[in-house]
Formats: sequence, structure tokens, C-alpha cells
Amino acid sequence: GENVEQHPSTLSVQEGDSAVIKCTYSDSASNYFPWYKQELGKRPQLIIDIRSNVGEKKDQRIAVTLNKTAKHFSLHITETQPEDSAVYFCAAKFGGTSYGKLTFGQGTILTVHP
Amino acid sequence: KAGVTQTPRYLIKTRGQQVTLSCSPISGHRSVSWYQQTPGQGLQFLFEYFSETQRNKGNFPGRFSGRQFSNSRSEMNVSTLELGDSALYLCASSQGQGQGYGYTFGSGTRLTVV
Repeated sequence: GENVEQHPSTLSVQEGDSAVIKCTYSDSASNYFPWYKQELGKRPQLIIDIRSNVGEKKDQRIAVTLNKTAKHFSLHITETQPEDSAVYFCAAKFGGTSYGKLTFGQGTILTVHP
Repeated sequence: KAGVTQTPRYLIKTRGQQVTLSCSPISGHRSVSWYQQTPGQGLQFLFEYFSETQRNKGNFPGRFSGRQFSNSRSEMNVSTLELGDSALYLCASSQGQGQGYGYTFGSGTRLTVV
């Protein structure tokens, strides 16, 4: 079935360190992989996304890498800041009858300590 | 450009009642999806509408239904409310279906069933 596994479920880092969150997906036909950040009491916000014709995408301190052969993708945050503390969700858009559907990972609670 | 607007923001209902939630997508966005977010289950896909037609449906009972109007606005309805329906209901809009389009979320409707 359509499944997205996300690890770790919680991640604690010191300010300035890097943080890495990994996701694996089940459907090799997927070719769109967004990452969302959700602060407490707020809506999920798209922070970066990648399509399967690209192996890596970077936006300032945030980067996403995609390995289609292994069916996994990762979020990398460098030089973390306390305002990066939030829940991060990965997602994959599956093909076939699930053409417009995003399937989400279970989320990672990132805490950045000053 | 206005974002995705969901109304109401908060609702308290009694078991057995029904509820209707509303979502106005970003202007020009024709696809609207609904998700249920709970602490235990994360973000679960409910359904997606495109051009007034339901294109995808998640694994929820028939008590959950929705529709989309010609102006792309969408409503979802939950009948015979149960305590377990308490959740944040998020609406997301996209320019179109297909794997290349990202979703923008609204701030959600927090439903509490007592």
C-alpha cells in the first residue's frame, strides 16, 4: 500500500548544529516529495519540495536529497536556530488512483536548544 | 494573494450532531483536499475534489462527505458525530491535480466533540 515512514520521531539539537530527518516511501511511481513545517497551533507550511527528476534541492539553510532507487528522501537543516523548533512532516504524492493525494509521514518533533 | 481560508476556526459539537466545515481555496486553485490531524494518527487524507468531482477518497466512514462548488470552494460534512472525530480538519488547495503541484494549507478548523 501507500506508505511513508519518517524517522526519527523526535530530534533534539544544539543551536548551530545540523539536523537530518529521513523518510522512505513505498511507491516507486511517486515523483513529488514536499516537506512541511508546523509550529504549535499553526497550519503546516511548505518549506521545500523536490521532484523526481532532481536529486537535490537547496534553499538557504534547508536542503532536500532524493534517492529514487532506494526510495528515500531526507531533509537537512544546517546552522539550526531556536525558531527552527517545530514539527516537520515529509510527504509523497502517489500515482495511479491516488493521483492527487499526499501521504504524510508521522512527523518529527525538532527541538533546537539555545 | 489571499491564502486558503477555513471557517469556522473552532467548533464544539455534541455526539450525534452533524457539522459542516468550509474551505475557500487560493484564487485560481482548482483542487481542494481535506485532511484530519490528530496527535495519534498524524495527518490523514480524507478526500480530494477537482472541478466539482471527488477524485480521491481516504479510509474514512461514510459519515464523512464533501463537495466542491463551481467557484472551487469546498465543504465537508460529518454526520452523527463521535468523540473520536475531535481533531483539526485541514483544507489544502493546489493549482491542479497531478504529481507536479504542491499544496497550500489553511489554518484549519478545530472540532471538539463532547
